[in-house]
Amino acid sequence: QSVLTQPPSVSGAPGQRVTISCTGTNSNIGAGYHVHWYQQLPGTAPKLLIYGNTNRPSGVPDRFSGSKSGTSASLAITGLQAEDETDYYCQSYDSSLGAVIFGGGTKLTVL
Amino acid sequence: QVRLVQSGTEVKKPGASVKVSCKASGYTFTNFDISWVRQAPGQGLEWMGWISTSYGKTNYAQKLQGRVTMTTDTSTSTAYMELRSLHSDDTAVYYCAKGGGSTSSGLDFWGQGTTVTVSS
Repeated sequence: QSVLTQPPSVSGAPGQRVTISCTGTNSNIGAGYHVHWYQQLPGTAPKLLIYGNTNRPSGVPDRFSGSKSGTSASLAITGLQAEDETDYYCQSYDSSLGAVIFGGGTKLTVL
Repeated sequence: QVRLVQSGTEVKKPGASVKVSCKASGYTFTNFDISWVRQAPGQGLEWMGWISTSYGKTNYAQKLQGRVTMTTDTSTSTAYMELRSLHSDDTAVYYCAKGGGSTSSGLDFWGQGTTVTVSS
């Protein structure tokens, strides 16, 4: 049971927009701690996709964007492409646990 | 370019210990923390802890307290993670990643992963 809750799966057709939610509590996202997002292709290490809620590292396409409100955060992917079909994880910090926390992960399927 | 290169696959028996290394290059090692994250087969990411490469301060996940030790060798820009008293549910891919102590920046570079299998 992850402290951050993500939907197990989402799907969308090529070219469409999808969002992946990440729901926390007042001891993590709601306390103002930043949310980061990772993309993990099969058999490879996670890749940082969004950091500090809304920022994209160099090289990440602007089709990927992050937002945060209250105790939740979201990753949006526009212009969906077949290569986006993989797993996505959110990450933050929890002050009650004194620990870095990950969401359980979301598998994106491109229909 | 930034690279984190981890040691190779390990197979251990229950009760044994494993020590995974992570050699960093392409940046000033002592300017950034190193985090360790593991992923059991078919499961999500689990944070194990981080170490300050400049001060040696550590922060371990509560469930691993007493079994895990993270260290660094600044002379070789290498981080180490040792896990003791292994049991079958420690079977996972273990990753090191640059960053961790600051909550605002995320883990921006990752090692390739080290597979640890615990089996009798």
